Amino acid sequence: EVQLVESGGGLVQPGGSLRLSCAASRFTFSSYEMNWVRQAPGMGLEWVSYISSSGSPIYYADSVKGRFTISRDNAKNSLYLQMNSLRAEDTAVYYCATDAGDNSAHPEYFQHWGQGTLVTVSS
Amino acid sequence: DIQMTQSPSTLSASVGDRVTITCRASQSISSWLAWYQQKPGKGPKLLIYKASSLESGVSSRFSGSGSGTEFTLTISSLQSDDFATYYCQQYNSYWGGTFGQGTKLEIK
Repeated sequence: EVQLVESGGGLVQPGGSLRLSCAASRFTFSSYEMNWVRQAPGMGLEWVSYISSSGSPIYYADSVKGRFTISRDNAKNSLYLQMNSLRAEDTAVYYCATDAGDNSAHPEYFQHWGQGTLVTVSS
Repeated sequence: DIQMTQSPSTLSASVGDRVTITCRASQSISSWLAWYQQKPGKGPKLLIYKASSLESGVSSRFSGSGSGTEFTLTISSLQSDDFATYYCQQYNSYWGGTFGQGTKLEIK
């Protein structure tokens, strides 16, 4: 069964930075497009970023463009999200999720999800 | 941006009931719609994709229908494990699909 384990969340001050990681196992990570999706406390889901299986192309939601950077290391079966200039509105549980698209080179729907890691931006 | 609106926001039902959740898109999305189930403290679980295709391993009590702007998720004969929050998601946009606000299915 596909396993995705996020880590790196925590409490950070506004304007600060944080790097999230997602460790993938039990599937061929290098063949899958990947995404980050977030969920503010008590709220709905918001797609954040997409990366193709090869690392390009990459897409971001307008709300994080210019502040967040998605990357992957296929040799380490890992996905990352570097978050800079964090704002209170970035407070959320961040999930990594496999894209169900057949290497369509853009985000589609999300087949497998991790348990999430909580990021809290507060002074 | 394409907006997704789910109704109702909360639904109270009993074990054995048949329930339907509706999702409306602000513009046509063809059949590019997925449904997810989420339980507290867990990541969402994919149920339905392409509006009516059942994800492998998901109970056949779940079914999806619709196209264009109006879609439904139906759960026949509710089981106790089905009480959760359900989200629709459109993926017609070339980048970044959008989700509905969610429907919480509660035990009556």
